Amino acid sequence: SQTIHQWPATLVQPVGSPLSLECTVEGTSNPNLYWYRQAAGRGLQLLFYSIGIDQISSEVPQNLSASRPQDRQFILSSKKLLLSDSGFYLCAWSVWGQGSGNTIYFGEGSWLTVV
Amino acid sequence: QQPVQSPQAVILREGEDAVINCSSSKALYSVHWYRQKHGEAPVFLMILLKGGEQKGHEKISASFNEKKQQSSLYLTASQLSYSGTYFCGTSPSGNTGKLIFGQGTTLQVKP
Repeated sequence: SQTIHQWPATLVQPVGSPLSLECTVEGTSNPNLYWYRQAAGRGLQLLFYSIGIDQISSEVPQNLSASRPQDRQFILSSKKLLLSDSGFYLCAWSVWGQGSGNTIYFGEGSWLTVV
Repeated sequence: QQPVQSPQAVILREGEDAVINCSSSKALYSVHWYRQKHGEAPVFLMILLKGGEQKGHEKISASFNEKKQQSSLYLTASQLSYSGTYFCGTSPSGNTGKLIFGQGTTLQVKP
């Protein structure tokens, strides 16, 4: 069965510091991978999605970037964090199926507080 | 491009019914429904792929009107465990990999 691991679960970072969140998926190959962000009490904002290695689409221009160094690894980074970057970051995966579409499954999330 | 959900919040008593609507201004290939408990990741409920398709999950079901670009989630005889925030996610026509979520509907079921 497929599993998704995301880490770290919680982090507190000062303004201007770098960020790296990692996500790996096991039990499937060539998944679609996603990074979503959820500000406190808000909806799910799509940040990046990738349908393959070196194929990453950015949805919201900001100081974040994403990379996919391996088929099942997705990394979210920032060189300098802003206060507004605080939130709940969710990695997700899907595999396209003709009868199942792009059902996505979320990791457990990472709570980021920028102070 | 973000789908619009209504209502924004619902308060129910156990056993009552609720309907959550989701509409899009773009043509849709699929509609996805998720439920999120406070402090947790969203959990997949169901996906609707075809126009007019209806699906059910226990006492939770959904419909998808492809022509109107709308979907509705039906919660029947609500239970305390149904409390949470419900999100619809929409995917444009074709397998683009992209899934955009609505702003969410908060459902609170009281004893």
